[in-house]
Order: sequence, then structure tokens, then C-alpha cells
Amino acid sequence: DVKVTQSSRYLVKRTGEKVFLECVQDMDHENMFWYRQDPGLGLRLIYFSYDVKMKEKGDIPEGYSVSREKKERFSLILESASTNQTSMYLCASSLDLMQGAANSPLHFGNGTRLTVT
Amino acid sequence: AQSVAQPEDQVNVAEGNPLTVKCTYSVSGNPYLFWYVQYPNRGLQFLLKYITGDNLVKGSYGFEAEFNKSQTSFHLKKPSALVSDSALYFCAVRDNTGRRALTFGSGTRLQVQP
Repeated sequence: DVKVTQSSRYLVKRTGEKVFLECVQDMDHENMFWYRQDPGLGLRLIYFSYDVKMKEKGDIPEGYSVSREKKERFSLILESASTNQTSMYLCASSLDLMQGAANSPLHFGNGTRLTVT
Repeated sequence: AQSVAQPEDQVNVAEGNPLTVKCTYSVSGNPYLFWYVQYPNRGLQFLLKYITGDNLVKGSYGFEAEFNKSQTSFHLKKPSALVSDSALYFCAVRDNTGRRALTFGSGTRLQVQP
């Protein structure tokens, strides 16, 4: 069974802090994703990565960066946290979508609820 | 560009009655369509998908969905609702070219009353 693990379930940070959200998957998946979930807005894509050291901006990348140094780990970085980044952050992984596994579903972690005060 | 609309914030249904959660989509090519469910304080779980073929797809927990190309819809259905089906449901889409990431709808909360 695929497991996507997000290192923190709850985080409280102060405005201006640098924040790291960590995500690890154990299924050798090529693709990894960071979404944020807000009531009434659903899930919005922040960044995704289709290979080690590769990254692509999603729909709302401003104020965020990512790092993928190893295949199993995908980190989301808030360079200087702001109150409007208070949200639920969801990490997901999937097989490569462009090599015959185009129908591969996403596997999600349980989320990190971040509060910025 | 790709987008998904879930027009209902909440759907209420009595246990044992059929349920429908609506979804419409927009993509530039052919769509890949998905439904996910989220239980409280959990991540999203995959329910079912449409890639090609039969317009009626069956998924987990007795759910099914009907793809309608002319109406660009992919509504989630279940013949007989259970109280345990109460959760947040998300529809998602991507086209069959280019962008690798899914676009999700805003979610519909399903409440099944005993």
C-alpha cells in the first residue's frame, strides 16, 4: 500500500519565519505535488515535480518554493510566512503520467495544518 | 487551461436514498476525470476514474460515475446512501496532453441523514 507521509500534522509559525513542510513517499513514484486546501476553494496546486531536481510552478506558486533532492522526498518552503498562508497543505505522489500510466491516481498524505500568527 | 466546477457546496440525502454529486469540467483535449473523497482530518482517497471506454465507471464503496461528453459532466452516483458516506467529495480533471497535474473542484460536502 502506498504511503505518503507528511512530517507534521499541525504547525504554528510566526509571520516572517521560514517554514519547511516535508513529504516522503515510499512507492518510488516519479511525480510529487503540493496543494493547499481552503474552504470553498478546494485544492489549489502550488508546485509539482516530475523528477529529482525538477520542478514546475502550479497555479499559486507565489511565496513558496520547493526542493526535490531525492526521489522520495519533496519539501515545500515558505520563505517568509504570512498570515494568508494559513491553510491545510496536502502532499501527493503518483506514477509518471506521461509513460503509459496517465490514469495513475494521486496518493495523498494526511495533510499539515499550518497556522501563521 | 483546465477547470472543474462543483455547483453544490452541500448535498443532503436520507440514508437508503440514491445520491448524486455533480461535476462539470473544461479541458482543451480529451479529459481524464477522477473523484476523490476526504474524511475528517484525513487526506484525499481515490474513488474512481474515467480515462476512456464505457461512460459508466464503477469505483470503491459502491460509487459510480457517468461521463457525458456532450454535457462535459462527470456526476458521482450511488444507488443507496449510507451514513458513513458523509464526507467531502472532490472532482478532478486533467487533459491527455501536456500538464501533468490535476485540477480540482471546490468540493461538495455530502451529508447522509439516518
